[in-house]
Amino acid sequence: QVQLQESGPGLVKPSQTLSLTCTVSGGSISSGGYYWSWIRQHPGKGLEWIGYIYYSGSTYYNPSLKSRVTISVDTSKNQFSLKLSSVTAADTAVYYCARDLALQYYFDYWGQGTLVTVSS
Amino acid sequence: DIQMTQSPSSLSASVGDRVTITCRASQSISSYLNWYQQKPGKAPKLLIYAASSLQSGVPSRFSGSGSGTDFTLTISSLQPEDFATYYCQQSYSTLPFTFGPGTKVDIK
Repeated sequence: QVQLQESGPGLVKPSQTLSLTCTVSGGSISSGGYYWSWIRQHPGKGLEWIGYIYYSGSTYYNPSLKSRVTISVDTSKNQFSLKLSSVTAADTAVYYCARDLALQYYFDYWGQGTLVTVSS
Repeated sequence: DIQMTQSPSSLSASVGDRVTITCRASQSISSYLNWYQQKPGKAPKLLIYAASSLQSGVPSRFSGSGSGTDFTLTISSLQPEDFATYYCQQSYSTLPFTFGPGTKVDIK
């Protein structure tokens, strides 16, 4: 059973960089066949896909966030990470990591989510 | 970006009711449409992928249909544990992936 777990600060100051890590267990990121995504949900709102990474390091970002987003992977730790720079209150959201099946791109496993609040 | 709309935005139903939720894409997405269920404070859960394929472990009262731009999620007999918000998501090759705004199903 694949499990994903987000970790990182729950409070970030405006203009700083939000950093989160997703640790994958029960399966190897390096096995291929899957993309590893970050998705966020503003309080009481819908879902916004941020971007994904493949184990090889290839990435694709949502154009709406592309200038501020970096997703990286550490296969030795079976982790992938999100950095979102120059945050504002509008980046306050629950951040989820998720696995999506290559070529079909549906999210079959999700982390529990972590609330990140941007506030001074 | 491909825009997704859902209707209704919310509905009230009783246990045992047949419930249908509609999702529409702003352009054809073939069958690259997925449905998720989300309960308060929880991550979304995959119900249906590729428009009509039932995810393993999901009860058979859930079904999906459609192709092109118009899709439906049907719950044949609503159960107490089905009260939640439902989202559609397009996974067509044109990135970014986008979600519908959600349909909240609550108790009548």
